[in-house]
Amino acid sequence: DTGVSQDPRHKITKRGQNVTFRCDPISEHNRLYWYRQTLGQGPEFLTYFQNEAQLEKSRLLSDRFSAERPKGSFSTLEIQRTEQGDSAMYLCASSLVALGYEQFFGPGTRLTVL
Amino acid sequence: GESVGLHLPTLSVQEGDNSIINCAYSNSASDYFIWYKQESGKGPQFIIDIRSNMDKRQGQRVTVLLNKTVKHLSLQIAATQPGDSAVYFCAEKARGYSTLTFGKGTMLLVSP
Repeated sequence: DTGVSQDPRHKITKRGQNVTFRCDPISEHNRLYWYRQTLGQGPEFLTYFQNEAQLEKSRLLSDRFSAERPKGSFSTLEIQRTEQGDSAMYLCASSLVALGYEQFFGPGTRLTVL
Repeated sequence: GESVGLHLPTLSVQEGDNSIINCAYSNSASDYFIWYKQESGKGPQFIIDIRSNMDKRQGQRVTVLLNKTVKHLSLQIAATQPGDSAVYFCAEKARGYSTLTFGKGTMLLVSP
């Protein structure tokens, strides 16, 4: 257990529905990252925050995806109008800038879109 | 279908053997590299990292080697144990950026 938690662990939804995932990073970590991972592939970067500021977004992050970190602690990732291609594991990671670039990953939320 | 994504390179070893997992990277501007281990249904777990100003770094039972000339990274695991069975990913960070780019994984299978 790295100290990063994600909720829910599994989500099954129907195409067209909205879903929201939550990530609680390690408490003193100031950076928080979201990744998407499909079966057999490495995690793909989606976006990251430093404190409450969203500093970078990948081209993978379509306009149906939005992420927030309103108080610089937990973060939410929302997917609107889900599509079957959104089915994947959504991973959250956190890091402390002062300690370098190592990222600590949570267990992930597995999304299945029917 | 899903089976296409399951065709990971696989390394099968016997318990007690040494394992070497390789990774090629393409960005000559990468200045930091990291290895993660991922067990089924879990998030990636940090193993070891190395900065580009180093060629070798050792941890407990693990060694990472970096060859910048050929853009190659390897992870050596000594005395491999069944608990080492997992998918291993290398990741790189480009200079001036904070995000990691992951490579394709290698599945390590350790038989007793």
